[in-house]
Amino acid sequence: AQKVTQAQTEISVVEKEDVTLDCVYETRDTTYYLFWYKQPPSGELVFLIRRNSFDEQNEISGRYSWNFQKSTSSFNFTITASQVVDSAVYFCALSGAGNMLTFGGGTRLMVKP
Amino acid sequence: NAGVMQNPRHLVRRRGQEARLRCSPMKGHSHVYWYRQLPEEGLKFMVYLQKENIIDESGMPKERFSAEFPKEGPSILRIQQVVRGDSAAYFCASSPYTPTALTEAFFGQGTRLTVV
Repeated sequence: AQKVTQAQTEISVVEKEDVTLDCVYETRDTTYYLFWYKQPPSGELVFLIRRNSFDEQNEISGRYSWNFQKSTSSFNFTITASQVVDSAVYFCALSGAGNMLTFGGGTRLMVKP
Repeated sequence: NAGVMQNPRHLVRRRGQEARLRCSPMKGHSHVYWYRQLPEEGLKFMVYLQKENIIDESGMPKERFSAEFPKEGPSILRIQQVVRGDSAAYFCASSPYTPTALTEAFFGQGTRLTVV
């Protein structure tokens, strides 16, 4: 069975601080994908990144960066110089055969001005 | 190039009524997935459908819930005799067919069901 754990249920930072959201996963599949989604207060799911299990290169996109470490089954997400607009719930997810996504419980990020 | 379209966006039903949620996948996508998000929780997989076939319904409640994806038209998630515990956001995702069966899923904006 697959499992995704986001141990931080809520994080509060002040604007311009850096923040890292943790994600740990469990799977028996040898090939899988990892995702991060953002859910702003409006409720939709915004796709942020997809990473396959064979690609352990870290990725940076503007203020966002992701650290995938297969050895520790972690896929952490860092926001640099956080902004109020980053306030949202962030979900980490895992997909294996069949494409069904297993989501973590989410981390609510509050960025205060 | 429309994305995944869900309607209605908001649905209010009284206890005991039926709720029908619709999902039109992205053009060319033949796979549809339904997820439920209870208040303050993450999304949970419910059912995976291809055209005219249910592939995996391991996440569907045993009673009152059903889903279909006909040859023509949108996928429908149907909840009969709704109860207050069915109040949640229901998200649909679609993906194209690929032999490797590992592709990105594109999400709709969700239907927020409130049972009063």
